[in-house]
Amino acid sequence: NAGVTQTPKFQVLKTGQSMTLQCAQDMNHEYMSWYRQDPGMGLRLIHYSVGAGITDQGEVPNGYNVSRSTTEDFPLRLLSAAPSQTSVYFCASSFGQGGILYFGPGTRLTVT
Amino acid sequence: DAKTTQPNSMESNEEEPVHLPCNHSTISGTDYIHWYRQLPSQGPEYVIHGLTSNVNNRMASLAIAEDRKSSTLILHRATLRDAAVYYCILRQYRGGKLIFGQGTELSVKP
Repeated sequence: NAGVTQTPKFQVLKTGQSMTLQCAQDMNHEYMSWYRQDPGMGLRLIHYSVGAGITDQGEVPNGYNVSRSTTEDFPLRLLSAAPSQTSVYFCASSFGQGGILYFGPGTRLTVT
Repeated sequence: DAKTTQPNSMESNEEEPVHLPCNHSTISGTDYIHWYRQLPSQGPEYVIHGLTSNVNNRMASLAIAEDRKSSTLILHRATLRDAAVYYCILRQYRGGKLIFGQGTELSVKP
């Protein structure tokens, strides 16, 4: 198993550009989620999904969209990038809604 | 959503036990207590979790208070590699948000 994979590892965007951060897992996990982590801070939940076709907002959803068309993939879309979205983004998944959370390696995003 | 409270930082000496406390006074009956840690420049990794009884695994032990309003992560012999931020979080069995607090930054002195 590859576990939770994220692409790209690094990305630089200009203000106003859009992009999609990819997250995939090959463990047949129902639950997937996106977090952002700013320097010296803890993780903040952006969006999460408890299964294909179901998504919900976390603590800081503004400026981000998600969809879950398959069990394996949970992409995060930045609609119009802003410097405040400069952060490290982590995707995580778990089997069942109360299970152990597995994290991807992260995507470091810089918006200039 | 139930919240957890942890000290911002703790220090330990190498090869000594470390007890990391967590308060979760608003825990509900179906919340699991999870601990994760994050090493510098890495994503968080699972350490241990439990519901009511104390739990042991190869990484650590988890002691859960009888009323479940607090728990303690025990590292039996701290090593330099255990220096990390440790997060205590509550995981609802039936899904929903998984909110991380600020965590405890553990430093280990040789």
